[in-house]
Amino acid sequence: QQQVKQSPQSLIVQKGGISIINCAYENTAFDYFPWYQQFPGKGPALLIAIRPDVSEKKEGRFTISFNKSAKQFSLHIMDSQPGDSATYFCAAATSGSARQLTFGSGTQLTVLP
Amino acid sequence: SAVISQKPSRDICQRGTSLTIQCQVDSQVTMMFWYRQQPGQSLTLIATANQGSEATYESGFVIDKFPISRPNLTFSTLTVSNMSPEDSSIYLCSVGAVVLKNYGYTFGSGTRLTVV
Repeated sequence: QQQVKQSPQSLIVQKGGISIINCAYENTAFDYFPWYQQFPGKGPALLIAIRPDVSEKKEGRFTISFNKSAKQFSLHIMDSQPGDSATYFCAAATSGSARQLTFGSGTQLTVLP
Repeated sequence: SAVISQKPSRDICQRGTSLTIQCQVDSQVTMMFWYRQQPGQSLTLIATANQGSEATYESGFVIDKFPISRPNLTFSTLTVSNMSPEDSSIYLCSVGAVVLKNYGYTFGSGTRLTVV
């Protein structure tokens, strides 16, 4: 059972544009929602994360929007740059003792120069 | 955040053999996990490595195939046993920590395994 659904699978954006990636979850026990960026040959690196007590979090050009009632959250990359070209994963975790991350399927972002 | 050293970074192995992957962390961590990432795919949790006790495996993964050790709070190993080409994947070590009620999960750079 896929608990975190991510879309789109791939995204092409012009330099300077806005990249938007969406995720939806099913498990209402999730209370931690990070986004990871992965370059080829590297492990995922944490970009930004949010907890359900806020609706938006911004760090530089990256913003997470969170809709608890809809069980959806999204990543917005403002002023997208070619260096942002990577695979992005949303994830979710619970406060339970295990606290494992459940990942979305990933979005391959290409920012054209 | 913690710094993870994962070895080897890549390997090409013959089918039927075993490979042990090492994960060394620069600080003591409670939560330690092993993931598999098949080519072009997302990350799938294999198991949670528990210090001083047996690892906890996710559905579809068994100890005989993926034995895990965690002798202390800074080190763990994952062995991929009796390998077949289907085991060709990237294997990633991850650690988690709770800092000021925020969870931080850090990943190693991964081990790219090719089974021929």
